[in-house]
Amino acid sequence: QKEVEQNSGPLSVPEGAIASLNCTYSDRGSQSFFWYRQYSGKSPELIMFIYSNGDKEDGRFTAQLNKASQYVSLLIRDSQPSDSATYLCAVAPSGGGADGLTFGKGTHLIIQP
Amino acid sequence: DAGVIQSPRHEVTEMGQEVTLRCKPISGHDYLFWYRQTMMRGLELLIYFNNNVPIDDSGMPEDRFSAKMPNASFSTLKIQPSEPRDSAVYFCASSLGGTLRTGELFFGEGSRLTVL
Repeated sequence: QKEVEQNSGPLSVPEGAIASLNCTYSDRGSQSFFWYRQYSGKSPELIMFIYSNGDKEDGRFTAQLNKASQYVSLLIRDSQPSDSATYLCAVAPSGGGADGLTFGKGTHLIIQP
Repeated sequence: DAGVIQSPRHEVTEMGQEVTLRCKPISGHDYLFWYRQTMMRGLELLIYFNNNVPIDDSGMPEDRFSAKMPNASFSTLKIQPSEPRDSAVYFCASSLGGTLRTGELFFGEGSRLTVL
């Protein structure tokens, strides 16, 4: 059973601070990793993807990947109240092909004004 | 361009009844996924299609669940008979070229199912 683990939270961060979200995965062969954001009552939407070890930056968002530790993280700089949402970590399975993503249960992030 | 369209948005039914959820993917997308989301289990992949052909249905919980994609613009997920534990939000998502590289799944707004 391939698993993706996240702390469910809630994670409370003051406005303007850095929010750090973490994710671990069990499939050592996984190559592609994704962060989705889901507002309450809405559908998930893709924020970022990463498949190389290290950091990948996109605006206020930075994804970090450490395949040796099977660890993915998302940093949100200058957090805004509009960032309050559930953040889902997702992993594409190993073995090639185009299988569906395996999602973690998500971390509920609250940005306090 | 219209996004993924799902219907109904909300469905309340009684145990034992048949439920049919519908999905229209984004035009031109060749992959269609059905996911189920609950608080306890999160977002679970049920089945996915490539060019209208079911590729992996290992996530379908049991024989009460079935899915079809008769053409590139329409898919159904059917539960017969329904049970209270089937209560969840069912999402349909489509993508172009699968999810391996970019992970870009375009989700519909979901169908919230309540089985009494």
